[in-house]
Amino acid sequence: GAGVSQSPRYKVAKRGQDVALRCDPISGHVSLFWYQQALGQGPEFLTYFQNEAQLDKSGLPSDRFFAERPEGSVSTLKIQRTQQEDSAVYLCASSLGLAGGLYNEQFFGPGTRLTVL
Amino acid sequence: EDQVTQSPEALRLQEGESSSLNCSYTVSGLRGLFWYRQDPGKGPEFLFTLYSAGEEKEKERLKATLTKKESFLHITAPKPEDSATYLCAVHHTTSGTYKYIFGTGTRLKVLA
Repeated sequence: GAGVSQSPRYKVAKRGQDVALRCDPISGHVSLFWYQQALGQGPEFLTYFQNEAQLDKSGLPSDRFFAERPEGSVSTLKIQRTQQEDSAVYLCASSLGLAGGLYNEQFFGPGTRLTVL
Repeated sequence: EDQVTQSPEALRLQEGESSSLNCSYTVSGLRGLFWYRQDPGKGPEFLFTLYSAGEEKEKERLKATLTKKESFLHITAPKPEDSATYLCAVHHTTSGTYKYIFGTGTRLKVLA
């Protein structure tokens, strides 16, 4: 596809359930990022992949959050034992270049809105 | 502390009334400053990248400029379809790692 896609677009989970959010980046993009966006706020960094390597996971709020990109393309963000404070929009972005280099502008998907009841 | 601050938080303009949005940052090792537009229910849409002080970029009614401590997004003769939240983000290096920090955005409303 032409852009970054994410699925599902909306997810409602009961507290304590596990959820998995999927991101399909732009083909050929080396870098992939996950962000969490609360209502009225800017995106907050969660984690960064360069190809299949997770180089930075400093933004993951707890060990209930786990991300992977096993083949260097599609990525999944998993949240275990969801809590109400996990409710937010989760955004995925990809960029052609490496962090710190050229072509490092990020292109975002539409996001997944997670609501934990 | 590394920080990105946008002002104003919200801005209402009449159609044709030009104005500027501000993004100030306190980071070291700047690798790029980005402007995005975000419409409700959608992901941020890339607008501009600025790499060094003095650089300017233009696209239709928008012009972005960069100094050593801040960036401005100038909107000339805005139209109602320019209504959106405008986000800036800073890409920088710290302690050997690369970070992206977003501001909280400016919500722009352009009235017909």
